[in-house]
Amino acid sequence: DQQVKQNSPSLSVQEGRISILNCDYTNSMFDYFLWYKKYPAEGPTFLISISSIKDKNEDGRFTVFLNKSAKHLSLHIVPSQPGDSAVYFCAASAIQGAQKLVFGQGTRLTINP
Amino acid sequence: NAGVMQNPRHLVRRRGQEARLRCSPMKGHSHVYWYRQLPEEGLKFMVYLQKENIIDESGMPKERFSAEFPKEGPSILRIQQVVRGDSAAYFCASSPNRDSSYTFGSGTRLTVV
Repeated sequence: DQQVKQNSPSLSVQEGRISILNCDYTNSMFDYFLWYKKYPAEGPTFLISISSIKDKNEDGRFTVFLNKSAKHLSLHIVPSQPGDSAVYFCAASAIQGAQKLVFGQGTRLTINP
Repeated sequence: NAGVMQNPRHLVRRRGQEARLRCSPMKGHSHVYWYRQLPEEGLKFMVYLQKENIIDESGMPKERFSAEFPKEGPSILRIQQVVRGDSAAYFCASSPNRDSSYTFGSGTRLTVV
């Protein structure tokens, strides 16, 4: 029962171009969504989040878009930099709060020089 | 301000032994969460604790696994009679209250041989 899905295990993007990572969810009770970045041998680091009352949130090079009707969110990184190479996890939580996150499987992003 | 500290970073146990994983939350954080990441998968919620209380253990296997967060000292995730399938990365996170996003530690990689 995979409630949060990241269907692309990997993505390769040229430096300076836009990286778009996608995430789909099935549980309509989810109302808060987050993106985490993870380097090898480290814990996930929070990147950006969005509440279900919004459809876009922007923070510097990172923008998250939420399409509730499609149960889909995406993370845009522009311009992509070599340091962005990492595994990106999408996560969601239900109305009760952020205590329990449901994670996707992750997408490995590689930025090529 | 030290982050979430987990130890050991790597733990090797033989089948049937006990594994104890420790997590010291960030200063001022009284909420602790444990997640498990199996190879090539996303993080899966295990348990949410506050000082001396288990708030949500819906992700904990019914047998062999237990968690505590005593009044003094770190949170402990205990796995009794480990099996090969317990091999995974175990991440702890902490937050100052139930509504805040949380900070992850670097994880403990458990290998059962």
